[in-house]
Formats: sequence, structure tokens, C-alpha cells
Amino acid sequence: DADVTQTPRNRITKTGKRIMLECSQTKGHDRMYWYRQDPGLGLQLIYYSFDVKDINKGEISDGYSVSRQAQAKFSLSLESAIPNQTALYFCATSEYTSGGSTDTQYFGPGTRLTVL
Amino acid sequence: GDSVTQMEGPVTLSEEAFLTINCTYTATGYPSLFWYVQYPGEGLQLLLKATKADDKGSNKGFEATYRKETTSFHLEKGSVQVSDSAVYFCALRASNTGNQFYFGTGTSLTVIP
Repeated sequence: DADVTQTPRNRITKTGKRIMLECSQTKGHDRMYWYRQDPGLGLQLIYYSFDVKDINKGEISDGYSVSRQAQAKFSLSLESAIPNQTALYFCATSEYTSGGSTDTQYFGPGTRLTVL
Repeated sequence: GDSVTQMEGPVTLSEEAFLTINCTYTATGYPSLFWYVQYPGEGLQLLLKATKADDKGSNKGFEATYRKETTSFHLEKGSVQVSDSAVYFCALRASNTGNQFYFGTGTSLTVIP
């Protein structure tokens, strides 16, 4: 089974609808992230969470909100979807390690969202 | 602010050719550097990483050396295979600013037989 799962994998919706994308992980990591990927722009960070009570905005948080329901679950919501939110969305996890080492991010398979 | 700039693609090579994908970075402090690979229809996977200057990351025949003097982390492979066709992302993890990750725009590689 995959360590980081995302649901749904594909979603088509209409402008103005509220959408929730879900991410679950079995890696036991404390840190979770949401990114969007657009052609030619690479990955842009939307929100990140270092633990259940710590949620932070990334580069492009406007129009999005998140909920960290448990250590293993991190959901992304689009309150009122608009067409320029059409993109590929990735969830990622990492575990911070001290002593000079560095955390590595592990990605889910992605959710392709289309807003008409 | 911190950022990563990588060579634009797409790159098309014949099998067994030498690969270089350039990556340079801007960062305060002492970032860690990564290369991720994305195969069609999949999420990003860590390919290799380096945590300090002069470190060399390597995996599956790919190598990259953390060069602080030139702020670079170029990806190389001596002999590419068709199975290496993918999109490659350079990334840095900031040592401050909340330890965020910053990704380049990705370089698409196609290897033809």
C-alpha cells in the first residue's frame, strides 16, 4: 500500500462549488504539505503543517484553506472554486530529524482538479 | 528570498548519451539541496540529496555535487536509458524561513532508443 494517498485522484467541478481534497499518510511523519503544480511553474506551496496544532500559509494560500484532523490526515479545501485553480495538487509529508540531517519530502500521487 | 533556477526543457537525448541538467540556487544560510523525479502520472520521488557544501548525492547512476562557490547543484548521468524519461525537479530546503522547500520549474527529459 502507498505511504501517502490522496483522494480523489481526479475531480471535475463547476465555478463556485466547494471542494475538499484529502490526504492520508501511514509514514508516521509529523509534517505535511499541500502543493499545486502548473505547467511551466513547478510546484508552489499552498499550506504546510508541522504538527496537528501548527498550520502555516505558503506562497499561494489565497482561496484555499486546510484542516489537520489528525497527524495522519491533512485536507485542502477550495471554498469557492474558480477556473484558475485548475491544476494538479500534491500532498507531501516529511519528518524532521536533528543533528545536522535533513528532512526529505514524500509525495502522494496527486489529484487532478478541473474547474469549469 | 530563497529560490531555485533550473535549465528549461524539454531535453531529448539518445540512449547512452551523457546528461546534464543545470540547477542554481539563491539562499540565505545553509540550505539542503535535492533532485526529485516525476514519472508520468505519478508524484515526485526523491532521486538524491546533499546537505552541505562539497557533498555529492548519487542514486541510480545519477550524481550531483553541492557547489557553494557557484551556488549550483547540477544533475549528471553518464549514460541515460529510455526508462530515465521523466521530469526532473531541483529543490532546496531552506535552513531558516520555516524550513520550507522551494522547487524549480522542472526539466522534461525524453530518451529515445
